[in-house]
Amino acid sequence: DQQVKQNSPSLSVQEGRISILNCDYTNSMFDYFLWYKKYPAEGPTFLISISSIKDKNEDGRFTVFLNKSAKHLSLHIVPSQPGDSAVYFCAALWPGNQFYFGTGTSLTVIP
Amino acid sequence: ETGVTQTPRHLVMGMTNKKSLKCEQHLGHNAMYWYKQSAKKPLELMFVYNFKEQTENNSVPSRFSPECPNSSHLFLHLHTLQPEDSALYLCASSQDRSGSRFLYFGPGTRLTVL
Repeated sequence: DQQVKQNSPSLSVQEGRISILNCDYTNSMFDYFLWYKKYPAEGPTFLISISSIKDKNEDGRFTVFLNKSAKHLSLHIVPSQPGDSAVYFCAALWPGNQFYFGTGTSLTVIP
Repeated sequence: ETGVTQTPRHLVMGMTNKKSLKCEQHLGHNAMYWYKQSAKKPLELMFVYNFKEQTENNSVPSRFSPECPNSSHLFLHLHTLQPEDSALYLCASSQDRSGSRFLYFGPGTRLTVL
């Protein structure tokens, strides 16, 4: 059973607009959440993270929101740029450091 | 070289072949991982090594055989694979297994089994 779900396999956004990528999880024991970004022919790279004791973390154009009651995580990118076009993976972490990944959302930012 | 490197980047093999994937990390980490990424599936953890000792094997078929000669190198030996094993195989490392919240990934090996 998939514990981390990204229900949108793809998303297209106009340059300059906001991109919102969503992630749902099932296990309330997860205590840390991360977003990874993957370009073609490269491995995933860490983008931004959030602890379960927070509900928001911001880093430049990237903001991650955590709604623990809904078991929902979202990544906001604003303004979106063509270089943001990539696959974004949501990941959740057990206290024992087992990573659970989603299936990824492919973001296309249209110039 | 910096970060995590993987060779080869692409591999095509027949079901009767034996091949090996190589991973090297230049980050001074102590934990190394093999992940499998198949289309429309989450990244699947296959094996974990912590300080050269295998600590996890997520019910991976024996046709995949990992080897970790030291903390910087990780191999995945492949033999008698099936077409459904075609996927992107990602190596990752972290400071250690229990304390690190961050994985550093290599670029992956795109494997095609004919």
